[in-house]
Amino acid sequence: SAVISQKPSRDICQRGTSLTIQCQVDSQVTMMFWYRQQPGQSLTLIATANQGSEATYESGFVIDKFPISRPNLTFSTLTVSNMSPEDSSIYLCSVSLGGGYEQYFGPGTRLTVT
Amino acid sequence: GNSVTQMEGPVTLSEEAFLTINCTYTATGYPSLFWYVQYPGEGLQLLLKATKADDKGSNKGFEATYRKETTSFHLEKGSVQVSDSAVYFCALSDQGGSEKLVFGKGTKLTVNP
Repeated sequence: SAVISQKPSRDICQRGTSLTIQCQVDSQVTMMFWYRQQPGQSLTLIATANQGSEATYESGFVIDKFPISRPNLTFSTLTVSNMSPEDSSIYLCSVSLGGGYEQYFGPGTRLTVT
Repeated sequence: GNSVTQMEGPVTLSEEAFLTINCTYTATGYPSLFWYVQYPGEGLQLLLKATKADDKGSNKGFEATYRKETTSFHLEKGSVQVSDSAVYFCALSDQGGSEKLVFGKGTKLTVNP
């Protein structure tokens, strides 16, 4: 498994502002993922972030709204830009360790936009 | 595309009751299957997995068997505890190289003493 930390754990932000969420892993991993979990809902994949290449976004998510950086094999950031109340969600990062294709998740960042 | 259909919740049981949460999937090829658990206020934890047909995943008294013929991966536990109260997610992984996970909608379980 892997130990994954996220910062901040929670934040309350005003509409129109941006928030950058950090994800740190205790080992080197090739693939990292960012998910959104809206209140009472399941997880939706935002994008896949591989080190050294542009992130791959899922349908309905765009780079201008959710820019992602992946500067090395243990770290990634997700920015939620120009926020609106609809962006209020839990944002989770995860890593794939290959093999059985399971993913391990960080504790999440609970974002509230007012 | 790939999809996961999970039993609708919420589910409320008494302690020591038998638990079944149904999960069926649609996928091309042979996905890996997972159950994740989310305790209140926490992130997702991998509960168990199965990577090929007829595999049985097990952990903490929970079991699920990968049934290719019925495209199912039902979660079971013989005797639930209050501490099992959580949201359970069934998921599959596309083994085609993207390694993306597709999740079901989740089933909230409450176990009363």
